[in-house]
Amino acid sequence: NAGVTQTPKFQVLKTGQSMTLQCAQDMNHEYMSWYRQDPGMGLRLIHYSVGAGITDQGEVPNGYNVSRSTTEDFPLRLLSAAPSQTSVYFCASSFSSGGAAGELFFGEGSRLTVL
Amino acid sequence: AQSVTQLGSHVSVSEGALVLLRCNYSSSVPPYLFWYVQYPNQGLQLLLKYTTGATLVKGINGFEAEFKKSETSFHLTKPSAHMSDAAEYFCAVSEAGGYQKVTFGTGTKLQVIP
Repeated sequence: NAGVTQTPKFQVLKTGQSMTLQCAQDMNHEYMSWYRQDPGMGLRLIHYSVGAGITDQGEVPNGYNVSRSTTEDFPLRLLSAAPSQTSVYFCASSFSSGGAAGELFFGEGSRLTVL
Repeated sequence: AQSVTQLGSHVSVSEGALVLLRCNYSSSVPPYLFWYVQYPNQGLQLLLKYTTGATLVKGINGFEAEFKKSETSFHLTKPSAHMSDAAEYFCAVSEAGGYQKVTFGTGTKLQVIP
């Protein structure tokens, strides 16, 4: 069972470079989301999606872009990397309704360093 | 808007002692409440959740939490700490019936002293 798969696990970028963090899930979850985790700040929601073709902003969306063309994939794009985007990024998915809604399944994380 | 406050960024307990991690929430509609655990260099995994019904919920590894609407609290407890419980714990809230956007607290690191 693959669950939620994130790639890459580690990445070093220079300021101004762009890149895409990949996220794929095989559980047929409607809801997918991206969080960033920083020391002392918990997990902050960047963007989320409740289905293919539907995305919305979370708490800290600036500097990031998302799209959802399929149920399985939800890539996160950094348009022009800044040192403030150094963080650990987590992709998470769940069903969007019913008793299992909000029960998030997480990937293993992608550690990004921006120099 | 929904929010979560976790009291205490670090908690230390002796092995075998009671574990109590505090969580208070704010939500404009009935909430779904969750506790997640994160072991070093791993993603988060669900410990337990409250949606509706019984206010005392039991989770994995002997943890339980009680939903108290009057106190807007959802504290996590375990009667006897084990060394393997050392991890970071996150309380989270989502609004039932909405888009299930989940908001996390800032986390509590639990240290278990032998």
